[in-house]
Amino acid sequence: KAGVTQTPRYLIKTRGQQVTLSCSPISGHRSVSWYQQTPGQGLQFLFEYFSETQRNKGNFPGRFSGRQFSNSRSEMNVSTLELGDSALYLCASSSTGGGGGYGYTFGSGTRLTVV
Amino acid sequence: DQQVKQNSPSLSVQEGRISILNCDYTNSMFDYFLWYKKYPAEGPTFLISISSIKDKNEDGRFTVFLNKSAKHLSLHIVPSQPGDSAVYFCAASPLNNNDMRFGAGTRLTVKP
Repeated sequence: KAGVTQTPRYLIKTRGQQVTLSCSPISGHRSVSWYQQTPGQGLQFLFEYFSETQRNKGNFPGRFSGRQFSNSRSEMNVSTLELGDSALYLCASSSTGGGGGYGYTFGSGTRLTVV
Repeated sequence: DQQVKQNSPSLSVQEGRISILNCDYTNSMFDYFLWYKKYPAEGPTFLISISSIKDKNEDGRFTVFLNKSAKHLSLHIVPSQPGDSAVYFCAASPLNNNDMRFGAGTRLTVKP
């Protein structure tokens, strides 16, 4: 079956602009989580959506937002981009609504560069 | 809030020897602990997990040990192979929701 698809793969934006990233989970998966990966910081948790509802949220400013559609596809938006937002943004899907040892399936990520 | 910490950014071992990657956590509410492996230009892939009610889980060359009292877990790879060279992330999750937290990662290099 198809994996997790993230688009676009690469993106270059200017400070102050906004950006929207897309994630299509594995068919049948209802949970989508977003992470920001930067060198030295690892994967920082942004938020998790399940059945169109944001259930969990990390410690990011309100400039970072997301949503999930009825087909489980998810988008995240970053407004008023800052240089420090340059990172690899990863999304992961899971079939379960609960947590635990059920590993996520990650997409290959979107590399965002803010100049 | 770094609830999951990997204090060694890198580790280099010889092929055939043991690789030991360490991870510490602060939140006692975590119920599951997981290790992910990441190659460049790819997303992390799930490697092995352990429940908080266990202290060891083994899968082939990979074994994860959990010390709850010390809030510490480790991943042992024996024997190490050059193909194991990657960044390894430790992660932790509560039982009842998908709020999974990751460490900063350890870059493992296995030299032939």
